[in-house]
Amino acid sequence: SQQGEEDPQALSIQEGENATMNCSYKTSINNLQWYRQNSGRGLVHLILIRSNEREKHSGRLRVTLDTSKKSSSLLITASRAADTASYFCATKETSGSRLTFGEGTQLTVNP
Amino acid sequence: DTGVSQDPRHKITKRGQNVTFRCDPISEHNRLYWYRQTLGQGPEFLTYFQNEAQLEKSRLLSDRFSAERPKGSFSTLEIQRTEQGDSAMYLCASRPRWGARGGETQYFGPGTRLLVL
Repeated sequence: SQQGEEDPQALSIQEGENATMNCSYKTSINNLQWYRQNSGRGLVHLILIRSNEREKHSGRLRVTLDTSKKSSSLLITASRAADTASYFCATKETSGSRLTFGEGTQLTVNP
Repeated sequence: DTGVSQDPRHKITKRGQNVTFRCDPISEHNRLYWYRQTLGQGPEFLTYFQNEAQLEKSRLLSDRFSAERPKGSFSTLEIQRTEQGDSAMYLCASRPRWGARGGETQYFGPGTRLLVL
């Protein structure tokens, strides 16, 4: 079963706007990762945040993690049409090696 | 290209047939994962290898599914007596050994899309 739940399920914005996606999870985690998937393709790793971190940046990406609320957010600033894709959060629990994915947010950036 | 590769990229089969998929991880990655993704959903974990040892298996991996990694390099995933419900994208990922750079990240291949008629 999917642990993560992403919100919103779909998001449509104009190029240049910021996009924010949220993820909630249920168990204790070691880290949380965000991936991007273009239609019908494999997943591309975007950013990883550890359970003892609260915020992390990578280029136009900003990720926050609130372990007390068991939630994370991904912010993409100054979006581009090429950012159009599905975005998934994935958690790695404190035990085991698997990733547990949410159902994803479909982001559409209109030129 | 030194990324994870999967073969075939697409497979169409009839119900009841057996299919086998192959995954070649990034060289020197000792950890390998299989996931399954159905349309509109996130990937679901199937199984995990560290070197040649299969250390985790999901309850999703029924008796009809078997995975191997005989020499700790490439891996195969076989589905016997396929059913229409097996139609999905099968994703492989590899991960560096503990302590290596990027050791917490799983690197995904392009996937094998299976359609069972």
